[in-house]
Amino acid sequence: DAGVIQSPRHEVTEMGQEVTLRCKPISGHDYLFWYRQTMMRGLELLIYFNNNVPIDDSGMPEDRFSAKMPNASFSTLKIQPSEPRDSAVYFCASSFGGFYGYTFGSGTRLTVV
Amino acid sequence: GESVGLHLPTLSVQEGDNSIINCAYSNSASDYFIWYKQESGKGPQFIIDIRSNMDKRQGQRVTVLLNKTVKHLSLQIAATQPGDSAVYFCAGLNAGNNRKLIWGLGTSLAVNP
Repeated sequence: DAGVIQSPRHEVTEMGQEVTLRCKPISGHDYLFWYRQTMMRGLELLIYFNNNVPIDDSGMPEDRFSAKMPNASFSTLKIQPSEPRDSAVYFCASSFGGFYGYTFGSGTRLTVV
Repeated sequence: GESVGLHLPTLSVQEGDNSIINCAYSNSASDYFIWYKQESGKGPQFIIDIRSNMDKRQGQRVTVLLNKTVKHLSLQIAATQPGDSAVYFCAGLNAGNNRKLIWGLGTSLAVNP
C-alpha cells in the first residue's frame, strides 16, 4: 500500500491566490482527516469526513477554507483567498473505523508570501 | 478547556539509554490515548496506543504507561537509538458525543551518539 498520498509537497503562492491541496487516502479507509501544523499551535484538526460526508468542520478557521471529498479516494482542501497566516504544513490522514491510530500523509508545506 | 500537554519540550539522551517522555491530560473522561512519532519533514507516525481500561501496554522497544489517578501517561523507549530522534506527540480521545483527538505540542527527543 502506498499510504496516504498528498500533493503537492510544497506550495508557494502569493497572498490572495487560491490554493488547492490534494489527498488520496488509503484504499478501504472510511475516515479522512485534514490537519494543520504550526510551531505555535501544533496540530489542529480542521475537518474530518466519514464515508465521504463531512462530519465536523468546526476546526476550519474561516470561510476562506473549504474541503470536499467527492469520492472515497480523493479529497481537496481549498483556501481562497490565501493569506500569509495560512502558511503551515497541512496533513491529510485516513483510518478505518474512526480516530484509532490513523495514518498520516507526508504533508504539504504551504508558504503564502 | 481540554488539553493534552507534555512536561518537557526537549529531551536529550545518550544512545543506548532508556528514554521517558511524559504527557498530562485534563479530561478524566478521555478513554483512549495514542503516541505518535514525527521525523523531520514527515507526517506523524503511529507508535502505540492504550485504552483507559489498561495501565500498561508494550510494543517493540516501547512501553506506554497510563495513570488515570493523576491523569498522566508516559512513553518509554528502551535502548534509545539515533533513529529514535524525532518529535513525539501524545493525543487523547475525548469521550462524549463530539469525539476528537486532543493533541499535545510535542517533545523533541535528541539522541546523542
